[in-house]
Formats: sequence, structure tokens, C-alpha cells
Amino acid sequence: EAQVTQNPRYLITVTGKKLTVTCSQNMNHEYMSWYRQDPGLGLRQIYYSMNVEVTDKGDVPEGYKVSRKEKRNFPLILESPSPNQTSLYFCASSLSVGVNEKLFFGSGTQLSVL
Amino acid sequence: RKEVEQDPGPFNVPEGATVAFNCTYSNSASQSFFWYRQDCRKEPKLLMSVYSSGNEDGRFTAQLNRASQYISLLIRDSKLSDSATYLCVVSSGNTGKLIFGQGTTLQVKP
Repeated sequence: EAQVTQNPRYLITVTGKKLTVTCSQNMNHEYMSWYRQDPGLGLRQIYYSMNVEVTDKGDVPEGYKVSRKEKRNFPLILESPSPNQTSLYFCASSLSVGVNEKLFFGSGTQLSVL
Repeated sequence: RKEVEQDPGPFNVPEGATVAFNCTYSNSASQSFFWYRQDCRKEPKLLMSVYSSGNEDGRFTAQLNRASQYISLLIRDSKLSDSATYLCVVSSGNTGKLIFGQGTTLQVKP
């Protein structure tokens, strides 16, 4: 089944403890992206990747890192999480970046930083 | 001004009603337009793309007005299962980057 898999689904951590949220897609998509969703603010892009070894900042990259060593995987790394990073996170992918290319989303990761 | 703006609602309508949402965008160079549906705390899912000539999918009709820079979604004969948040999504110029509106919440009541 074609899908984007995110793990974990829920995560509670403490300030400063490094964590990684994994994202994997099995559709051979070139484009992958991370979003965070907060009440009243909608989905905001954190980082995106157009292809292997190509990553770029989105609108809210501060405090996050990503890597794209393989086409299928795009992990999100929080080196030193802070409470303002408590949010609902979504990974998404699409075949490419072009007109009318639709995004496929993972099921989300609810992160709480205490 | 936000690149993509939606009325957050909520829109409370009875079953069987027709409801319409609008979404305005600021970048006249935008080329791709979508409506996504999101159920509470779940991942957004594509409802429909929006084409220049307008398009229909069952009870759902999407329209694009480039001159006024807005897109619309019309839902006819609302069902309880239509209750969700509807996200307007627009590409940022010709980069392909997608910008999400904050969503419009629809509650269909029996």
C-alpha cells in the first residue's frame, strides 16, 4: 500500500532531550516536507527536500534539523527541544514539485515538550 | 497579510444544506490550487484540485477566480460525514511550494 509512515504517533519529552521523528515513503517520491500545525496558525512548513541530499528551510526552521540521505526517508531532528515546539507534526511527500502535484501526508506526530 | 486566507468559521449547517467556502490568495503567480479535508487531529487528505475552468466531483464543486484571486468550494446536500476542517492550499508563485490556509471548520447537524 502506498503510504507515508511517521513514527512515533505520540511523544512526550523534556526540554533539551534530543529526539528524532522518522518519516518514510514507499512511493519513490522526490519531494518530502515537514509541517507543524498549531491552533489558529494552520500548517506551517519547517523544512523540505526536493531530492536526495537537497534540503531547504521552510517558514519556521529554527530549532529543527533534517537530512535526506536516502530517497525514502526524511527524519526530523530536534537537537534541544523546547516547550514552544509542542505541536502536531506532519510529514508529507509528492512525486515532484510541479503544477497540481498533490501531497500525501503521514498520520502525524503529537509532540509535547515539558 | 497572509498569503492564503480563510474564514475559520465554524460553519454550522443542517443536513441537506448547501454551504460555500471562499479562500483568497495574495500571489497572482500561483498556479496550483487545492482543497484538502482534515478530520480532527488527523492528516489532511486531498479533496480535490481546483482547475481554471472549475470542476465538480459529486456533491463538491470547486471554482477558481484568478482576477479576484480566490477559490471556492461548494458542498451540496451536506451530510453529517462532511463535518471536518477544509484547508485551502495554494502554490507560492511558480516554485511549487504549497501554502496552507488555516482552514474552515464545518459542522453538519442532524
